[in-house]
Amino acid sequence: EAQVTQNPRYLITVTGKKLTVTCSQNMNHEYMSWYRQDPGLGLRQIYYSMNVEVTDKGDVPEGYKVSRKEKRNFPLILESPSPNQTSLYFCASSPPTGENSPLHFGNGTRLTVT
Amino acid sequence: DAKTTQPTSMDCAEGRAANLPCNHSTISGNEYVYWYRQIHSQGPQYIIHGLKNNETNEMASLIITEDRKSSTLILPHATLRDTAVYYCIVRVGPGSARQLTFGSGTQLTVLP
Repeated sequence: EAQVTQNPRYLITVTGKKLTVTCSQNMNHEYMSWYRQDPGLGLRQIYYSMNVEVTDKGDVPEGYKVSRKEKRNFPLILESPSPNQTSLYFCASSPPTGENSPLHFGNGTRLTVT
Repeated sequence: DAKTTQPTSMDCAEGRAANLPCNHSTISGNEYVYWYRQIHSQGPQYIIHGLKNNETNEMASLIITEDRKSSTLILPHATLRDTAVYYCIVRVGPGSARQLTFGSGTQLTVLP
């Protein structure tokens, strides 16, 4: 089944403890992206990647890192999490930008930083 | 990518058509209009997209005005399961790598 898989679904951590949220897609998509969702603010893009070893900042990249060493994986790294990074995170993928390139989203990771 | 403007919320009676508007007055010629929806806190789900012609699929219809500055998503026979937040975004076509911006969307509530 074609899907985007995020892990973990729920994560509670403490300020300053490094964490990684994994994202994997099995559709051979070139484009991948991370979003965070907060009440009243909709979905805001953190980072995106057009292909392996190509990443770019979105609207709210501060405090986050990403890597794209393989096509299928796009992990989100929080080196020193802070409470303002408590949020619902979504990973998405799609074929290259083009007419038939809808985004496929994962089921989300709810992160709480205390 | 062009910014979009949507109403914050709308109600619709079950079985009736739900018409969700979106303004994208700064849309460029090579930008497509995409619609997604998000049920509760699940990952957003793709619904439909178009460039300038009206489009229809098994989920919905998309009507784009001739000047392309606005569009309407139509759910022909809304059910309770269509209650969700609906997002309209515009995305550049082939050959360009751009970040995508979602707005706050429209909360559609289908009433029994």
